[in-house]
Amino acid sequence: GQNIDQPTEMTATEGAIVQINCTYQTSGFNGLFWYQQHAGEAPTFLSYNVLDGLEEKGRFSSFLSRSKGYSYLLLKELQMKDSASYLCAVLNTPLVFGKGTRLSVIA
Amino acid sequence: DTGVSQDPRHKITKRGQNVTFRCDPISEHNRLYWYRQTLGQGPEFLTYFQNEAQLEKSRLLSDRFSAERPKGSFSTLEIQRTEQGDSAMYLCASSFGGDIQYFGAGTRLSVL
Repeated sequence: GQNIDQPTEMTATEGAIVQINCTYQTSGFNGLFWYQQHAGEAPTFLSYNVLDGLEEKGRFSSFLSRSKGYSYLLLKELQMKDSASYLCAVLNTPLVFGKGTRLSVIA
Repeated sequence: DTGVSQDPRHKITKRGQNVTFRCDPISEHNRLYWYRQTLGQGPEFLTYFQNEAQLEKSRLLSDRFSAERPKGSFSTLEIQRTEQGDSAMYLCASSFGGDIQYFGAGTRLSVL
C-alpha cells in the first residue's frame, strides 16, 4: 500500500523557522518531492531528494532519511507569502501525494 | 510563458453531460500526467502517457473516464455521464522522463 503522513495544519510567526515533517510507506521509491500550493492554484515544485541528507535552496531546505521513511521541509525567515499548503510526494511513477500541510504565517 | 497550460480553467456542467479537458505540456517533455484533487486532499493520480502511449491507469479511473495523447503532444481527458462525485480540480503535469513534474493551473469541474 501507499501511505504518506504529514500534519494537517501548522501556524508560525513571520521571520521564524518552521519544519514540516513527512513520513511515508510506499511500495516503491524513486525520490521525494515537496511542492507548494496556494489556494486555487497549481502545485509549484520546491525541492527533490533522492539520496539521504539535506538539500538547501535559498530559504527552503529538505531532508531525507530513506531508512526511516522520513523527510522534512524547513522554511527559514518566514514571510506572509509563505502561507500555503505544502505537499509531500513520493515518486513511484507517478507521484503519490500526502494530504498536504496548511501553513499559516502570522505577524 | 511556456509552462503547462490547461483549458478550460473552470467548467460547470449538469449531471449526465460529457465534458472534455485539454492539457498542453511543456514542449520538450515526453511524459504527461493527469491528477484529480478535491478540497483538503493532495492530488490523486489518474493516468499518464509517455509520448503517445498510455502507460498506466489508476483504479480510480472508471470506464467513464478516457484520456488520449494522439500525437504525443497535447492530451485530452473526457468524462462521460458526469456525476456529482466527479466535481474536483483536474490537474495536468508534464516531465522529461522521471524528472521533476511541472503542473498546470488545473481545470475546476463543478457537476450540478
